[in-house]
Amino acid sequence: QSALTQPPSASGSPGQSVTISCTGTSSDVGGYNYVSWYQQYPGKAPKVLIYEVSKRPSGVPDRFSGSKSGNTASLTVSGLQADDEADYYCSSYAGSNNLLFGGGTKLTVL
Amino acid sequence: QVQLVQSGPEVKRPGASVRVSCKASGYTFPDYCMHWVRQAPGQGLEWIGWVNPNRGVTSYAQRFQGRVTMTRVTSISTAYMDLSRLKSDDTAVYYCARSDTILSEIDSWGQGTLVTVSS
Repeated sequence: QSALTQPPSASGSPGQSVTISCTGTSSDVGGYNYVSWYQQYPGKAPKVLIYEVSKRPSGVPDRFSGSKSGNTASLTVSGLQADDEADYYCSSYAGSNNLLFGGGTKLTVL
Repeated sequence: QVQLVQSGPEVKRPGASVRVSCKASGYTFPDYCMHWVRQAPGQGLEWIGWVNPNRGVTSYAQRFQGRVTMTRVTSISTAYMDLSRLKSDDTAVYYCARSDTILSEIDSWGQGTLVTVSS
């Protein structure tokens, strides 16, 4: 199984919106509504932002939203702030008790 | 609060094996799955596998099958990951991480354990 495909980088100015894609196949992203998104700062463990495609854990700002169309999931960060600058990873259930991560996207706030 | 505390850094020779431990607290250990995820320097997250602490059922990513073993001792709320036949590209930070089920999001992570493989 190959990693899910994410763009290596994304950027936006403060206040703007940025969308990060996560492309898989019908065996993972397209086949299940179990896509999660994680934010990771350098040297720190990841933190969940989105689960089950579009649900937010308590405490995560509603500036973060998730969606899915076919084999591609997306994370949108609205009203960009300086501390949104981090690495973002998607993950998806891939059947047969397996999990896949995306390659990660480095978000830069200009 | 939920805490996952991992063992300290390791330096190993190529061909050796390593064991990383993960002690859980703040929740009922058998009720949650434990994943192991690694991150090579400057690289992304890679799922290695998971263990169901309640029944000891495991599932491993295909590329690690035959080289990894995940176990747990419920009486001391500790999970273990053993990785054998180490190669230089196994150098990474290894995380244990908790989820409700295999389908659920990972909601807590350990602090990470750096494993360095070098001759």
